[in-house]
Amino acid sequence: DADVTQTPRNRITKTGKRIMLECSQTKGHDRMYWYRQDPGLGLRLIYYSFDVKDINKGEISDGYSVSRQAQAKFSLSLESAIPNQTALYFCATSDNDSGTSGYEQYFGPGTRLTVT
Amino acid sequence: AQSVTQPDIHITVSEGASLELRCNYSYGATPYLFWYVQSPGQGLQLLLKYFSGDTLVQGIKGFEAEFKRSQSSFNLRKPSVHWSDAAEYFCAVGGVSSASKIIFGSGTRLSIRP
Repeated sequence: DADVTQTPRNRITKTGKRIMLECSQTKGHDRMYWYRQDPGLGLRLIYYSFDVKDINKGEISDGYSVSRQAQAKFSLSLESAIPNQTALYFCATSDNDSGTSGYEQYFGPGTRLTVT
Repeated sequence: AQSVTQPDIHITVSEGASLELRCNYSYGATPYLFWYVQSPGQGLQLLLKYFSGDTLVQGIKGFEAEFKRSQSSFNLRKPSVHWSDAAEYFCAVGGVSSASKIIFGSGTRLSIRP
């Protein structure tokens, strides 16, 4: 089984709808991240969480919110989806020990979201 | 502020030819450096990483990268590419601070000419 899973894998929704993307991990990592990927822009950080009680905004958090329900679960919500939120969304995890991993991130398979 | 530049948006090489993908970073201290690969329709997979020790690091799939502090570079190389290497490659930089995040470059798309 995959260490980092994302649901759904694909979603088409309409403008103004609320949508939630879910991420679960079995790696036992404390740190979790949400990114969006757009062609030519690489990955941009939306939100990140260093533990269950710690939530931080990334560089493009406007229009998004998150919930860290447990160490293993980190959800991303679009309260009122708009077409320019059409993108590929990735969840990632890392552990707290930089000594051996350098905070290396492990990625889920991605969710392709289309807002019409 | 930390940043990563991948100056080549798209590169095409012939199968069997050598490959070098460029990455330049900006970071105020000793960086952690990573190369990830994203195959079509897939998530990102770590190829290799550097955060101390030997500046030439070996990764999976026959890739290697060399950290050059004086040039703020971490270029990815492979002596002979295979058609299966066609993918998007991302360079990333992070830091030693516990509050550090990883910043990704914009990616280089690699195409392989038969």
